[in-house]
Amino acid sequence: ETGVTQTPRHLVMGMTNKKSLKCEQHLGHNAMYWYKQSAKKPLELMFVYNFKEQTENNSVPSRFSPECPNSSHLFLHLHTLQPEDSALYLCASSQDTRVVLGEQYFGPGTRLTVT
Amino acid sequence: AQKVTQAQTEISVVEKEDVTLDCVYETRDTTYYLFWYKQPPSGELVFLIRRNSFDEQNEISGRYSWNFQKSTSSFNFTITASQVVDSAVYFCALSEAYEASGSRLTFGEGTQLTVNP
Repeated sequence: ETGVTQTPRHLVMGMTNKKSLKCEQHLGHNAMYWYKQSAKKPLELMFVYNFKEQTENNSVPSRFSPECPNSSHLFLHLHTLQPEDSALYLCASSQDTRVVLGEQYFGPGTRLTVT
Repeated sequence: AQKVTQAQTEISVVEKEDVTLDCVYETRDTTYYLFWYKQPPSGELVFLIRRNSFDEQNEISGRYSWNFQKSTSSFNFTITASQVVDSAVYFCALSEAYEASGSRLTFGEGTQLTVNP
């Protein structure tokens, strides 16, 4: 596989469930990102990892818990979500957060619906 | 703080028409980078172009062209002879260099372009 992949592509979960989103990049990058895309809103940066270390948490509620076991994989663990958390969750990667010219490559996203 | 504004929420054109997507940005930094991404219905954002603040030369790539005007803080995107496959949401984004910020892209709200046959 190439590029950035995300699984699952669609997820419906109840507010009491626990689920995880997975992102994998095959580009040899060292930085990975989670974004939230809600309807009628700009993309919101949630978390940033560089060389497996979290470098940014953009005031995200604790019901979202990221995990980056290595530079190729990124997870977003979800628990006790709210209906307003329903959105498209996009993963991205780039060469290194310190490389200013490094564009980000995005996965197809996971469409999450919280019921 | 930086901000990106895409005032056009939705644009609808007929195939073969030219269309321009507007992007206006705000930044206090003198060194920054501007991007355009395309988001087709499949969901993933596709990188189209990156521009740094010192390079005001306009760029053309096939049917796509970009007009960067620092004086008006604008980075507009024109599609010539639009095609149905151009239908997508287009995002303009800004990254400020002082943050060494490959990590911080500020996105506009996006413009939904629909090209009708």
